[in-house]
Amino acid sequence: LAKTTQPISMDSYEGQEVNITCSHNNIATNDYITWYQQFPSQGPRFIIQGYKTKVTNEVASLFIPADRKSSTLSLPRVSLSDTAVYYCLVGERGYSTLTFGKGTMLLVSP
Amino acid sequence: GAVVSQHPSWVICKSGTSVKIECRSLDFQATTMFWYRQFPKQSLMLMATSNEGSKATYEQGVEKDKFLINHASLTLSTLTVTSAHPEDSSFYICSARATGIGKETQYFGPGTRLLVL
Repeated sequence: LAKTTQPISMDSYEGQEVNITCSHNNIATNDYITWYQQFPSQGPRFIIQGYKTKVTNEVASLFIPADRKSSTLSLPRVSLSDTAVYYCLVGERGYSTLTFGKGTMLLVSP
Repeated sequence: GAVVSQHPSWVICKSGTSVKIECRSLDFQATTMFWYRQFPKQSLMLMATSNEGSKATYEQGVEKDKFLINHASLTLSTLTVTSAHPEDSSFYICSARATGIGKETQYFGPGTRLLVL
């Protein structure tokens, strides 16, 4: 399983764009990149998944460079409710176990 | 979207008793479900993979006789913590991998907080 590295924590203010980068240098050809959000005492919530280039949905964008050794989760105009831990995971699409790293604790302040 | 529920959401029990936690996929079928454990301020740790109709696969260091897993149907998996002790107090989270549409990822339940006195 490809190992991921993320910043332990990030701080931001309401209304700003937040970009969280994840490194996954040994990502395999069949691996997808998935991001989850977790609030305290709740299960992780799926945010976005991608394989290459750019993926966008109603809550976030995921940028993946051509070498796929990293990815960036972009949260536009964050609000206080976006304060949470964000996990980047790499694995075969839906067919492998997920290994959670330490995640990134995002703190959004007024 | 794919919804996964867990019951109970929290439970307090005496040391030595057994506790059963249910994980249900509400709007999709899941041939595979996963059980995680999360201690305070730590990440999720995979305990076992539950496959419908077959034995669960446990991660290294997880006692299969203590954490009994049953996946009797495509929408239900149960985790039974047998003879629970205070060190088993934790946040237990299940996830389900859909079959067919939506099978590209895992969907997580809300978690069950277990406190063993």
